[in-house]
Amino acid sequence: NAGVTQTPKFQVLKTGQSMTLQCAQDMNHEYMSWYRQDPGMGLRLIHYSVGAGITDQGEVPNGYNVSRSTTEDFPLRLLSAAPSQTSVYFCASSYSTDRGIGYTFGSGTRLTVV
Amino acid sequence: GNSVTQMEGPVTLSEEAFLTINCTYTATGYPSLFWYVQYPGEGLQLLLKATKADDKGSNKGFEATYRKETTSFHLEKGSVQVSDSAVYFCARAGAGNMLTFGGGTRLMVKP
Repeated sequence: NAGVTQTPKFQVLKTGQSMTLQCAQDMNHEYMSWYRQDPGMGLRLIHYSVGAGITDQGEVPNGYNVSRSTTEDFPLRLLSAAPSQTSVYFCASSYSTDRGIGYTFGSGTRLTVV
Repeated sequence: GNSVTQMEGPVTLSEEAFLTINCTYTATGYPSLFWYVQYPGEGLQLLLKATKADDKGSNKGFEATYRKETTSFHLEKGSVQVSDSAVYFCARAGAGNMLTFGGGTRLMVKP
């Protein structure tokens, strides 16, 4: 059981380049989300999805796009990379039942924009 | 909106000292509450959680009690070890299973 798989683990981009951070989960979780972690600021929500075909913006969505065509995959697209997007990105999947909520995080993608 | 406030660090303790990291949250309904730990260079690991008022989450000697009356979820450990040195995040769940995190508290334990 792989859990949540993020690729790549590290990436360096030049300002203005675009790229896609991949996130895949094999637990059939309904919910998926993307967070960025900046020094001293904790994790902030970028975008989230409550199911295939449904996405919504989080706290810091500008400069990012997402789509959820399948339950398993939730890619994050950087449209035109900026130095302010240098960060560590975490993808998470989660479930919600009568017995509670559970989350699984990927291992993160460290992105540097120069 | 939802928010989580936790004490700023770093918190520096000697081995075997008592640890408290304060966490308060905005009270919209009865959100599930979490503590995550992040070791250097690694991702987030769930430390413990609580889903309703007066629940006590516990794991690896850490405990936190869901206090509805004070909207708090303080993390405690009776005797810290050097291996507990890490960054600790308090978080609350919201609509759409979104998590709102506190800013993190760095704990440094000295031998």
